[in-house]
This record gives sequence, structure tokens and C-alpha cells, in this order.
Amino acid sequence: AQSVTQLGSHVSVSEGALVLLRCNYSSSVPPYLFWYVQYPNQGLQLLLKYTSAATLVKGINGFEAEFKKSETSFHLTKPSAHMSDAAEYFCAVSLDTGRRALTFGSGTRLQVQP
Amino acid sequence: NAGVTQTPKFRILKIGQSMTLQCTQDMNHNYMYWYRQDPGMGLKLIYYSVGAGITDKGEVPNGYNVSRSTTEDFPLRLELAAPSQTSVYFCASRTGGTGGSHEQYFGPGTRLTVT
Repeated sequence: AQSVTQLGSHVSVSEGALVLLRCNYSSSVPPYLFWYVQYPNQGLQLLLKYTSAATLVKGINGFEAEFKKSETSFHLTKPSAHMSDAAEYFCAVSLDTGRRALTFGSGTRLQVQP
Repeated sequence: NAGVTQTPKFRILKIGQSMTLQCTQDMNHNYMYWYRQDPGMGLKLIYYSVGAGITDKGEVPNGYNVSRSTTEDFPLRLELAAPSQTSVYFCASRTGGTGGSHEQYFGPGTRLTVT
């Protein structure tokens, strides 16, 4: 079975500051990892995904994440926060077998202060 | 291309009532999913389907039923609604086959309140 832990349910940064959202996973087989963003009262939008082709993954809106197998981590970063980045961010894992469903972390709400 | 559509967007039910949440995708995806999102929590899998005529339970199936008569549609049925079913419900779909990197596409959600 797989699981995801997101450290910090709320993160607050100043506009222009580095964004770091933490995600650790547990999986008995090589996982596929995703970051989704959810704006208020909206559905989920894919930010980026780890496909095993490269450990540093670039996504939309300037976000990137690095897969570190030794640390079982997939932290999301952005060099400079923008007000429009304020949202809820979910890390998720899936396996390439069976239901292929996503297992989600509990989410991190990002606030960006002016 | 509409993607994944869900109806209704909002609904208030009384305890004991029943309703069906509709989900349709136009991407010819084999896999479809129903998740629920409770406040401050991630999404949890209710039911899923790997193709027309095939459905199976996820992590939190109690109080729900599904059917998959066509590739496009995957309705979620709530029987005897309870306050614990107050949540936001998301439908999602993805293409089948190997390669776990295939992303899931999500609908806009249905916000359900049971009082």
C-alpha cells in the first residue's frame, strides 16, 4: 500500500519569497508522484508529475519538484511566490497496477502575503 | 472538448433522502473514479471503474453505489443520505493501459450538504 504525508497544513510566504511545500511518500514499489493545485471552490489542476524519466520535474506556473528516492520525498518549490499562487496544494501517489487510483496527502494551504 | 463534467454543482439533502451525482467524460477514458473531499483533508477514493460494466470499491464505499453502463458515464448513487456524507465529491478519469504517469482529469466537483 502507498501513502503520502504533507508536512505543514498551512504555509505563509511573502510575495517574491521562495515557496517550499513538503511531501514524503511511502510505497512498496516505484511510485508515480503528482502535485495538484486547487483554487477556492474549483476542481484539481495538475501542476507536475514524476514519470521516472528525470528526478527534477518542471511544471506549470514556475513550479518544480525533485524526486529523492533516498529520502522518499517529492518537495514542491517555486523560486519567487506570486499572489496568484495562493491555493491548496496536494501531493499524490499512484502505482502502475490495479486500480491506478491516486492516494492523496492531506493538503497544504499556501498563503502569499503582499 | 468538455473533459469531465459533473452535475449538480451544489445540492442540499435532508437526512434519509437519496440522490444521484452525475459524471460524464468525453475523452474515451477507460478508468473513472469518485473521490470525496472533507474539510482540511485530501481526497479519498469511494469507487472506481476500469471499463464499462466493471466497478469496484475504494477506501470509503459505505453508503454509496455506482454503475458503469457506458464508457462516458459513471453516476454515483447516495441511498439514505446521512450528515457524514456532507462533502465535496469529485469525479475523475484517465486513460487505461500501463504507465502510471498518466494523469487523472478532474471534474469541477459537487458540493453536497446533508442536514
